[in-house]
Amino acid sequence: DQQVKQNSPSLSVQEGRISILNCDYTNSMFDYFLWYKKYPAEGPTFLISISSIKDKNEDGRFTVFLNKSAKHLSLHIVPSQPGDSAVYFCAASEGGGATNKLIFGTGTLLAVQP
Amino acid sequence: DAGITQSPRHKVTETGTPVTLRCHQTENHRYMYWYRQDPGHGLRLIHYSYGVKDTDKGEVSDGYSVSRSKTEDFLLTLESATSSQTSVYFCAIGFSSGMLTGELFFGEGSRLTVL
Repeated sequence: DQQVKQNSPSLSVQEGRISILNCDYTNSMFDYFLWYKKYPAEGPTFLISISSIKDKNEDGRFTVFLNKSAKHLSLHIVPSQPGDSAVYFCAASEGGGATNKLIFGTGTLLAVQP
Repeated sequence: DAGITQSPRHKVTETGTPVTLRCHQTENHRYMYWYRQDPGHGLRLIHYSYGVKDTDKGEVSDGYSVSRSKTEDFLLTLESATSSQTSVYFCAIGFSSGMLTGELFFGEGSRLTVL
């Protein structure tokens, strides 16, 4: 049973526009959420995170929104750049992040067209 | 740079042979993890360790064992490799200081092909 779901395998966006990547989860005990970016032949790299006590966290061009009632989070990238083209993984953990045991979604491949 | 080195980076082996993947870290972190990445499945946790000789199973641990005899090394062993274990394996370390943030830092991966 997939506890973290990314229902869009791929997304194509024009350079300069907004990219919105979505993630849904089923485990109400999750209290910490993260986004990772992965380029081919490299390991995933941490992008941005949000605690369940917040509904928004912003870091430069990246903003993560959390809707706990809908068990949904999204990553907004504004403006999108060609270098943002990568696979994006949503991840979640419970217990305040104490164990760092992250449950990942299946990923969304973002292609930013010049 | 979190100082994580995985070896080997690429390996091709035959069904039934044992395989050991090594993860080495240089920064004395307590928490270490092994994940595998497969198309359509994302990253799935195999085993993890909270310290020397302290390991536990993740969601896809069948067919794998781990050992951690030193803080800096976390070994993943496939006792008898099967084709279903063809995958890219990632080691990760988790920081622990005060308020944990849940962030993991990943190595560059080990691509294993089992023929």
